[in-house]
Amino acid sequence: DQQVKQNSPSLSVQEGRISILNCDYTNSMFDYFLWYKKYPAEGPTFLISISSIKDKNEDGRFTVFLNKSAKHLSLHIVPSQPGDSAVYFCAALRNSGYALNFGKGTSLLVTP
Amino acid sequence: DTGVSQDPRHKITKRGQNVTFRCDPISEHNRLYWYRQTLGQGPEFLTYFQNEAQLEKSRLLSDRFSAERPKGSFSTLEIQRTEQGDSAMYLCASSLGQVPYNEQFFGPGTRLTVL
Repeated sequence: DQQVKQNSPSLSVQEGRISILNCDYTNSMFDYFLWYKKYPAEGPTFLISISSIKDKNEDGRFTVFLNKSAKHLSLHIVPSQPGDSAVYFCAALRNSGYALNFGKGTSLLVTP
Repeated sequence: DTGVSQDPRHKITKRGQNVTFRCDPISEHNRLYWYRQTLGQGPEFLTYFQNEAQLEKSRLLSDRFSAERPKGSFSTLEIQRTEQGDSAMYLCASSLGQVPYNEQFFGPGTRLTVL
């Protein structure tokens, strides 16, 4: 069963605007969350992460928000740029676990 | 290039044949992972090595699959008697193990097509 869910397969945003990608999880044992970006013909590239003891982590244009009670996290990209066009995967990790549990991904298209 | 490398990048084989993929992790990384990604899905965990020891295997890893990491350096993933359902992107990742959570760095993947 899918323990990490990304319910929006695709998202289109204009350059300069905010992109918000959402992710929900069902396993309360997850305590570390990561976002990966993937371009065609390349492997996923780590973007940003957040521990369950925090509710926000920021790195440049990228901010991840975590709502533990709702089992929901989101990735905000501000401002969006055409080079951000890629598939974004949400992933979760259990305490002392090794296996990343991925969502199905959201394809982001940033148009000029 | 000091990233994770995988070889070959593409493999086309006939059903029933055996295939082997290689992964070279980032040199100082002691942890190595294999994932499989099919169309429209996120990567799914297959197996994990810490140094040369295989510590975890997913139930996705049937007995036709075997992975090794001799001497704790590169790793190989072999699929015996391939089936059409094995067609997927096979991703290798590596990480440092000194702290509880370390990002996993992924290679470009090996795309397997079973005819």
